[in-house]
Amino acid sequence: RKEVEQDPGPFNVPEGATVAFNCTYSNSASQSFFWYRQDCRKEPKLLMSVYSSGNEDGRFTAQLNRASQYISLLIRDSKLSDSATYLCVVSSNQGGKLIFGQGTELSVKP
Amino acid sequence: NAGVMQNPRHLVRRRGQEARLRCSPMKGHSHVYWYRQLPEEGLKFMVYLQKENIIDESGMPKERFSAEFPKEGPSILRIQQVVRGDSAAYFCASSQSQGLDEQYFGPGTRLTVT
Repeated sequence: RKEVEQDPGPFNVPEGATVAFNCTYSNSASQSFFWYRQDCRKEPKLLMSVYSSGNEDGRFTAQLNRASQYISLLIRDSKLSDSATYLCVVSSNQGGKLIFGQGTELSVKP
Repeated sequence: NAGVMQNPRHLVRRRGQEARLRCSPMKGHSHVYWYRQLPEEGLKFMVYLQKENIIDESGMPKERFSAEFPKEGPSILRIQQVVRGDSAAYFCASSQSQGLDEQYFGPGTRLTVT
């Protein structure tokens, strides 16, 4: 079983749609959780950290459920510029090392 | 404020040659991480370093790969006697402190072994 598993993609949605990504992780001792985006195999860019209380940044909302070892990302009012691969990322319980999911590709169409 | 810098951005080596990849962390960051992304695969952790110390090298292949982060200068990832399977994008990230801190990535070095 992979340490971090994400929805298989690709997701093809029209502009303005709401889209949700899900992710599960296997190590219950994991301490930190993030969503990154990666465009065309360029460097991953930090989108947001994910906290147990949930957090929102504009059109993006992230949730963490430690009991279920589940992380989600909701994007509202999708824009063309949101097209990218979204990476669910967990830090190891030892700290430092990040463990990446395979990524979910999002394509927002006009 | 410059972000994480990596050079070269593209590197072509013939089988058996050595590859040296450089990474300068963001200003104020003393923790450096190297990740590798093979074609059509996700990013995989290789090594975590602080100045003059290797903290975690659990993701490094046992042979041919080494990393350092000297007191002065950039971190270096060195691959000796490269093989075709080493062709990948190598990303460096840095953070301000250990562990729970967010990591910021450089633009990567794309290594092609011919």
